[in-house]
Amino acid sequence: QQQVKQSPQSLIVQKGGISIINCAYENTAFDYFPWYQQFPGKGPALLIAIRPDVSEKKEGRFTISFNKSAKQFSLHIMDSQPGDSATYFCAASIADSNYQLIWGAGTKLIIKP
Amino acid sequence: DVKVTQSSRYLVKRTGEKVFLECVQDMDHENMFWYRQDPGLGLRLIYFSYDVKMKEKGDIPEGYSVSREKKERFSLILESASTNQTSMYLCASGTPGTQGTGELFFGEGSRLTVL
Repeated sequence: QQQVKQSPQSLIVQKGGISIINCAYENTAFDYFPWYQQFPGKGPALLIAIRPDVSEKKEGRFTISFNKSAKQFSLHIMDSQPGDSATYFCAASIADSNYQLIWGAGTKLIIKP
Repeated sequence: DVKVTQSSRYLVKRTGEKVFLECVQDMDHENMFWYRQDPGLGLRLIYFSYDVKMKEKGDIPEGYSVSREKKERFSLILESASTNQTSMYLCASGTPGTQGTGELFFGEGSRLTVL
C-alpha cells in the first residue's frame, strides 16, 4: 500500500514530441505528489508538484495530470527538448509525514535531436 | 542558492572498512536525509533527522548509522562496509513544509564502490 509504481522505466522521444510518464499509488491518504528531475552526475531537484484538490498543474512545458479516482498521476512534457533528457522520479507523501516521501523507481528519458 | 555539499563524490573501499560520508547544508534546514539510489529501485531512505542529535530510521537502516552533532552537518557511517553497499548515496535537506509538504534539496551524490 505504500508503493508508488512508475512507468515506463525508460523512454525515448523525438525532439518536439510529448513525453508522458505515469505513476500509480494505492494509499488514498497520500495528498502531495511531487516530480523530481535528475541530470547525470547531479542530485534530484524538484520540478513540479500537485495536491489532489486540483486535477492539473502546468508550469511552462511541464504539466502534472492527476486522477484521484484512478489513483494515478502523470507528467507530460510538451515540445520535448534534448535538454529535458534526464531521470524523472515521481513521489507521494501523506500530509503529516514530514517529508517521508515514497518514491517511484524512476524513468530515464532520452530526447533524440 | 541552497547548497548541499557531499564531501566525497567517489570512494573505493574494501570489505570490512569503516566508511564516513559527510554532508553539509548552508540553509539552516531542520531536516536532513540520507538516501540510497540504485537503478530500478528509485530512492530508498536510510536515515533522517529532524534536529541536532536526533535520528530516525528510514526504510533500509541495516548496516548504517548516522550522526548529527551540528544542525548543518549530517554524516552517514558504514561500520563495516560490504559489497552490497556499493551504491550512490544522496544527502538531502529541507524545512518542514506546511502539512508535510515542501521541497527537498539534494547534494550531488557520493558513489561508493566496495571491493
